[in-house]
Amino acid sequence: LAKTTQPISMDSYEGQEVNITCSHNNIATNDYITWYQQFPSQGPRFIIQGYKTKVTNEVASLFIPADRKSSTLSLPRVSLSDTAVYYCLVGDPDRDDKIIFGKGTRLHILP
Amino acid sequence: DAGVIQSPRHEVTEMGQEVTLRCKPISGHDYLFWYRQTMMRGLELLIYFNNNVPIDDSGMPEDRFSAKMPNASFSTLKIQPSEPRDSAVYFCASSEGQGDTGELFFGEGSRLTVL
Repeated sequence: LAKTTQPISMDSYEGQEVNITCSHNNIATNDYITWYQQFPSQGPRFIIQGYKTKVTNEVASLFIPADRKSSTLSLPRVSLSDTAVYYCLVGDPDRDDKIIFGKGTRLHILP
Repeated sequence: DAGVIQSPRHEVTEMGQEVTLRCKPISGHDYLFWYRQTMMRGLELLIYFNNNVPIDDSGMPEDRFSAKMPNASFSTLKIQPSEPRDSAVYFCASSEGQGDTGELFFGEGSRLTVL
């Protein structure tokens, strides 16, 4: 499983776009990049997954450069309710049963 | 589907007592995971099952911890005897398994306090 590095915490304001970058220098050819979001007093929930370039859904966008050694989760126009911990995970869904979470990035949205 | 169901949501017990946490995974999911979360250690994988068989229990902290999955719709995590340092939120999660995105679906957690 590739090791990931992401900021411990970030602050932003309502209405801003927030970008959280994750480094994964040892990503393998078959690895995908997955992000989870965890609200206080809840379990993590899957928000987005990608392999390369850009993926967008109703919650977020995921930008992955050509070398795939990093990825950026982008949250458009955040609100107070986006305050959560965001986890970046890297692994091969076809091979890696064991899913390990790092410390994540604690995002705090200010009014 | 109702999602992953865990019980109890909250448990307060005294040191030395036996604690049993329960989990019902999403129907059709082949994998079941038990995690423990604390402020100090974050989200730790304790054990996971594939088709009811324990695959990796290397995260189980001590022999006081045991987990079973007698059938595809039920799993338990037992702590006997419990200690104050076992206080944490315990999450159960399930996934469809290999070949899909590997997305984990978490329950709401069981908050354990050992006095």
